[in-house]
Amino acid sequence: AQKVTQAQTEISVVEKEDVTLDCVYETRDTTYYLFWYKQPPSGELVFLIRRNSFDEQNEISGRYSWNFQKSTSSFNFTITASQVVDSAVYFCALSGTNTDKLIFGTGTRLQVFP
Amino acid sequence: EPEVTQTPSHQVTQMGQEVILRCVPISNHLYFYWYRQILGQKVEFLVSFYNNEISEKSEIFDDQFSVERPDGSNFTLKIRSTKLEDSAMYFCASRGPVSSYEQYFGPGTRLTVT
Repeated sequence: AQKVTQAQTEISVVEKEDVTLDCVYETRDTTYYLFWYKQPPSGELVFLIRRNSFDEQNEISGRYSWNFQKSTSSFNFTITASQVVDSAVYFCALSGTNTDKLIFGTGTRLQVFP
Repeated sequence: EPEVTQTPSHQVTQMGQEVILRCVPISNHLYFYWYRQILGQKVEFLVSFYNNEISEKSEIFDDQFSVERPDGSNFTLKIRSTKLEDSAMYFCASRGPVSSYEQYFGPGTRLTVT
């Protein structure tokens, strides 16, 4: 069975702090896909990144970076120099070889205070 | 930038009534999905649709639910006889060709069943 665990329910930081959101996944598929989505207070789900299981390169996009480690089944997300606009719920998600449905974690609510 | 749209943004209905939630996926996308999010909880998969038929559905998607792509642009979710527990945010999503795994979400329809 596929499962995504986001153990951090809520994180609060002050602006300009770095913050890492953890994501641990379980799957028996040898090929799978990992995603991060952002859900701001307005409620929509915004796609941030997709990572394929066969590509373990870390990725950086501006203040965002992602660390994928197959050895620990983790796909962590770091925001550098956080800003108030980063305040949102962040979901990690997984899809597999034989299904493209997204399995979501329970989300981490990030609050960035000025 | 193309986006998924959903109407209405908020629907209030009485228990036992039928509702139809509407979505317009991104125009060249081929795969369509419905997810729901009960308030404060994680996002759950309902159904996926490809080539004019359901490709996968979850246990939640029982006989009270149906999906349709009545024309080349709309994708609808019908709930035949709503229950209180159907109250949730319903998200439509779409994705492009086979090689593209990102699902792009609409802004959601908040369904309130009274």
